[in-house]
Amino acid sequence: AQTVTQSQPEMSVQEAETVTLSCTYDTSESDYYLFWYKQPPSRQMILVIRQEAYKQQNATENRFSVNFQKAAKSFSLKISDSQLGDAAMYFCAYRITQGGSEKLVFGKGTKLTVNP
Amino acid sequence: NAGVTQTPKFQVLKTGQSMTLQCAQDMNHEYMSWYRQDPGMGLRLIHYSVGAGITDQGEVPNGYNVSRSTTEDFPLRLLSAAPSQTSVYFCASSSISGVGGPQHFGDGTRLSIL
Repeated sequence: AQTVTQSQPEMSVQEAETVTLSCTYDTSESDYYLFWYKQPPSRQMILVIRQEAYKQQNATENRFSVNFQKAAKSFSLKISDSQLGDAAMYFCAYRITQGGSEKLVFGKGTKLTVNP
Repeated sequence: NAGVTQTPKFQVLKTGQSMTLQCAQDMNHEYMSWYRQDPGMGLRLIHYSVGAGITDQGEVPNGYNVSRSTTEDFPLRLLSAAPSQTSVYFCASSSISGVGGPQHFGDGTRLSIL
């Protein structure tokens, strides 16, 4: 079964500090995409960062970066200099395309609290 | 530029009623998809489309129909609503399916089935 596991249902961090959210996935495919999405209380789904599996270099978007370990099927998200506005649910997801069809699988999410 | 627009934002139905959730995007995206979000379950893909006239099933398609007659619109139909379909529904779009996956989400529709 293709799954995404976020082992931390909840995390907290002090403002201005760094936090890492964990994600592991299970797929037999070699070509896929990985994503982190942020969902604040407003319920919007916001793409935070994206990683192509064929790229060895870890993706970075301002204060957000990933640690992509393909062999270990691990895709963690690091948030540096945490801000109050980072408080949200964070979802890890991967996407594969097989024979013209597509599968997008989300984890169950990690709730991040940022303490002032 | 409105992005992805979902209507309605909230809806209450009785069991057995039918309904269509609307989704429109103004970015000329080929790829559109529908997800449902249940507590503790993350998002699950219901149906998706890679272009006008082309649709396919996702992870949880039962009880839902879709069609894609134009690039802009991708409605989701509940033929006979059931309490198990109580959920928050998201529509999403992206430029090309093979490039990057859903990047733009609508604000969601909260649907309650009594």
